[in-house]
Order: sequence, then structure tokens, then C-alpha cells
Amino acid sequence: QKEVEQNSGPLSVPEGAIASLNCTYSDRGSQSFFWYRQYSGKSPELIMFIYSNGDKEDGRFTAQLNKASQYVSLLIRDSQPSDSATYLCAVKPANDYKLSFGAGTTVTVRA
Amino acid sequence: KAGVTQTPRYLIKTRGQQVTLSCSPISGHRSVSWYQQTPGQGLQFLFEYFSETQRNKGNFPGRFSGRQFSNSRSEMNVSTLELGDSALYLCASSLQDSTYEQYFGPGTRLTVT
Repeated sequence: QKEVEQNSGPLSVPEGAIASLNCTYSDRGSQSFFWYRQYSGKSPELIMFIYSNGDKEDGRFTAQLNKASQYVSLLIRDSQPSDSATYLCAVKPANDYKLSFGAGTTVTVRA
Repeated sequence: KAGVTQTPRYLIKTRGQQVTLSCSPISGHRSVSWYQQTPGQGLQFLFEYFSETQRNKGNFPGRFSGRQFSNSRSEMNVSTLELGDSALYLCASSLQDSTYEQYFGPGTRLTVT
């Protein structure tokens, strides 16, 4: 079983729609959860982090965490062409100094 | 505040050679992690350093090594390069252990021919 799994892409959404990205993790003791955005040819950029169950909103982004279900998601509202990128889910396993990354979901926002 | 910097940005080496990559973390960050990113394997953890001590190591052969200096700058070394070592090598730094938000540098693109 992979440590972090993301829904397979690519995901294509029309401009202005909501893009929904999902991620599950295997280490039940994990406490820190992150979403990174990576444009083609660039390095990952941290866009959201969440530590407690529930929702966390930052602008057009909302991260949702459900530790009981070992599930974390990212919603992108009012999607823009500039949101077209690969989104990486990352989890810090309990008692481990590293981040485990999912394979990423590529999002394309079509105008 | 300046971000994470990595040098060089691009590198072309021949099989069998060795290479050293450098990373300067964000000012005040004491944890530095290294990752390898390839299209087939995604982002794979190499190792993590904190206060000059390696606290964690990923599942890579001993040809991959690293170190951290007293100013938190870090280097990684790959000896006896193989074609499969061609990848984007990313360095990330973080401030706090408890939350572990990591910020990435631009990466070093290594091509082994």
C-alpha cells in the first residue's frame, strides 16, 4: 500500500468551475497535511496546509481533512487557467522527519 | 526574505562521474530535506538534516550522501553516476519540527549521459 494516494488524473474543468482533488494516506498517526502546486518545469510551491479536522479556506482554495477516514482534499473554486498545474498531496508521517508525496493530479482549466 | 536557493541549476555529467549539489535554506530554517523527482517515480525522499545531523534517510543506495554545515547550508553528493540518476533534485527547508511546512528551492536538473 502506498503511503499517499491521489485520485488519478488528468482532471479537466471549465473556467469558473470547482476542481476537486482527493488524497488518502496510510499512516493513521499523521498530523500534518500539505498541498503543493507544481507548474511544468518548476519546483513545488506550498499552497495549503492543514493540521486539524475540518475545513480551512484561503482565498479560492479550501482544504478539508478527515483523520478518521484518513482523507484530505483540496477544492479550487472559480478555477482559472492559471490554476492549470499538477497538485501534489503531502503528508508528514508520525515520528518521521520527511514528507511523503502522492503521485500528483494534473489539472487543466479550459477557457 | 529570500527563498531556498540551489546551485547549480543545470548539470550534465557522464556515467561514472560524481556530482555535488548545494542548497541554502531560508534564513532561520534549520531543517533541510532532499528529494529526487522523476516522471516515473514522482517525488522520492532522499534524506533530511537538522543541526548538522542526518535524522532520516530514504531508500536510496549508498552512492547518495549528504551533509549539513553549521550555517544550515547543505550539500548532497552522488558518486558513480548512472543513467537512472537523471532527475530533478529538490531541496526543501522548514522552520518548525511540529508542523514541518517545507519550502522548496528551484531544483537542480541533472542529466547523466
